[in-house]
Amino acid sequence: RKEVEQDPGPFNVPEGATVAFNCTYSNSASQSFFWYRQDCRKEPKLLMSVYSSGNEDGRFTAQLNRASQYISLLIRDSKLSDSATYLCAVTAGDAGNNRKLIWGLGTSLAVNP
Amino acid sequence: GAVVSQHPSWVICKSGTSVKIECRSLDFQATTMFWYRQFPKQSLMLMATSNEGSKATYEQGVEKDKFLINHASLTLSTLTVTSAHPEDSSFYICSARKRRGPYEQYFGPGTRLTVT
Repeated sequence: RKEVEQDPGPFNVPEGATVAFNCTYSNSASQSFFWYRQDCRKEPKLLMSVYSSGNEDGRFTAQLNRASQYISLLIRDSKLSDSATYLCAVTAGDAGNNRKLIWGLGTSLAVNP
Repeated sequence: GAVVSQHPSWVICKSGTSVKIECRSLDFQATTMFWYRQFPKQSLMLMATSNEGSKATYEQGVEKDKFLINHASLTLSTLTVTSAHPEDSSFYICSARKRRGPYEQYFGPGTRLTVT
């Protein structure tokens, strides 16, 4: 089983649609969780950190379910500019400076006019 | 802010030569920097973790003598691809983590390396 798993998609949705992505992780000791977006041939950019209480930033909502070991990202009112690959990342490894991120393969989203 | 720069943004070199890529955190101190490689339509692959003032930690399967990493200061890490071969052609991306605070990583814009 991969440490972090995502449905690769692609998700094709019309503008204005609501779309949700899930990401499961295998290490129950993971402490920090993130969603990044990556545009084609560009670097990943931090979209949101994910907190236990859930957090919202405009049209984006992220949630964490520790019991089931998954995080989710909900995008409401999709825009054409939301088309990208969404990467899930969780911390792993030892504590301190070397705590690296384990990455999912990403979920591809295409928002169509 | 959390701005990370990378230089060069792209480079073409001949097989057998070495290429150095610089990664700088511009507005924060980064105790830890990470070097990734990404092939087309594939996910990020962590190559090594770089800590200021100490030896880098390489991931399994990454040759430390081929990919030399130096983290000389809290704002600069370098990756040198030695004796490059065409199969080393890839998108190399660095990221940096702030000295204090949570574990988010902030990425540089990447370096596209083509070895001919």
